[in-house]
Amino acid sequence: KAGVTQTPRYLIKTRGQQVTLSCSPISGHRSVSWYQQTPGQGLQFLFEYFSETQRNKGNFPGRFSGRQFSNSRSEMNVSTLELGDSALYLCASSLPSGTGFPEQYFGPGTRLTVT
Amino acid sequence: AQSVTQLGSHVSVSEGALVLLRCNYSSSVPPYLFWYVQYPNQGLQLLLKYTSAATLVKGINGFEAEFKKSETSFHLTKPSAHMSDAAEYFCAVSALGDMRFGAGTRLTVKP
Repeated sequence: KAGVTQTPRYLIKTRGQQVTLSCSPISGHRSVSWYQQTPGQGLQFLFEYFSETQRNKGNFPGRFSGRQFSNSRSEMNVSTLELGDSALYLCASSLPSGTGFPEQYFGPGTRLTVT
Repeated sequence: AQSVTQLGSHVSVSEGALVLLRCNYSSSVPPYLFWYVQYPNQGLQLLLKYTSAATLVKGINGFEAEFKKSETSFHLTKPSAHMSDAAEYFCAVSALGDMRFGAGTRLTVKP
């Protein structure tokens, strides 16, 4: 079974631009979560989507948004990029469970550099 | 809200020695607990998880962790370190739809 795939793997953008990152979950997984990883802040939860609906959200500004399609693929968008948005963005997929977070499978990440 | 504290941002052991990575958590409700490993330029890989069944959890690559409610700890151990264990390890706690990761511990294995 193919793992979680993320595209692109590397991206360089300029301040003020916007960016869209894509994530394809493992086949059959309907929950997709996004995380930001930086040396200073570590791993931070952005949001989780299940059945095309945002189910949970972390503490990030509205410039960070996401969506999920009917095939469970997900995109996240960052508008008006700032230098501090430079990070590794990780996507994780999982089978849904009743409560809490079940076992998550992570993609390799997209390394975003904002100049 | 939940929180996780990993004691020691950097741990160094000799090959064949015991690995002990410490994790303490805080949660207002019974949590799920996880250990993940991250190799350079890769995503996170689940090592093991605690979901309120057995308190001693065995994972992949010879790792195990023990849930101690009285100490709010979930330390990760491996009896004998291998060079391939060198990586960054993250403890995570999940409850009430929220997932929090620790700051990570970088494990170095010396030959």
